[in-house]
Amino acid sequence: DTEVTQTPKHLVMGMTNKKSLKCEQHMGHRAMYWYKQKAKKPPELMFVYSYEKLSINESVPSRFSPECPNSSLLNLHLHALQPEDSALYLCASSQDGTISYNEQFFGPGTRLTVL
Amino acid sequence: RKEVEQDPGPFNVPEGATVAFNCTYSNSASQSFFWYRQDCRKEPKLLMSVYSSGNEDGRFTAQLNRASQYISLLIRDSKLSDSATYLCVVRLPSGGSNYKLTFGKGTLLTVNP
Repeated sequence: DTEVTQTPKHLVMGMTNKKSLKCEQHMGHRAMYWYKQKAKKPPELMFVYSYEKLSINESVPSRFSPECPNSSLLNLHLHALQPEDSALYLCASSQDGTISYNEQFFGPGTRLTVL
Repeated sequence: RKEVEQDPGPFNVPEGATVAFNCTYSNSASQSFFWYRQDCRKEPKLLMSVYSSGNEDGRFTAQLNRASQYISLLIRDSKLSDSATYLCVVRLPSGGSNYKLTFGKGTLLTVNP
């Protein structure tokens, strides 16, 4: 099973709302990732969790707050977003973030629109 | 210089054609290399890892030249279902014992009947 699941599939929120994106994998992977992808652009890394600890934050604004409650789950809490934050948010996982050849598997993404 | 550069495309080819994608990377510390494909409004899916000796998976052949910092993907006998954006992806060390993926901008392929 190489599946990463994400909920919700679509999300529309206002700039004053607080919402959360969820990601789950049951492959026993110990590294999980959040990416942001704008239309016609490649994915951009936001955060990496390795063994449930935040290991990389690519200078993401604090209105995005990641959380890794356990090794299978990854959340992204959203608060006071801007319209330019509208994008596809992708979660990914790999067996071990410290091994270079580990392949990453992506979830289907949450398409976020900020009004 | 961008970390990962790909042919800008788009490529439009007839069914059955052979098509080649080229990619260069700037950081010689790059550790591992991948090709992903991404269909419109879907997530990237791993197509193949790229090994130093080159590797083949059916109609797909990937090559790596570390000296030239160059990666390629060849698709033979292209099918309509090969239509997608092809992303060249490089894994770089990122401080401590971590690695991160860096994506090229992608090349759009359309295979026409």
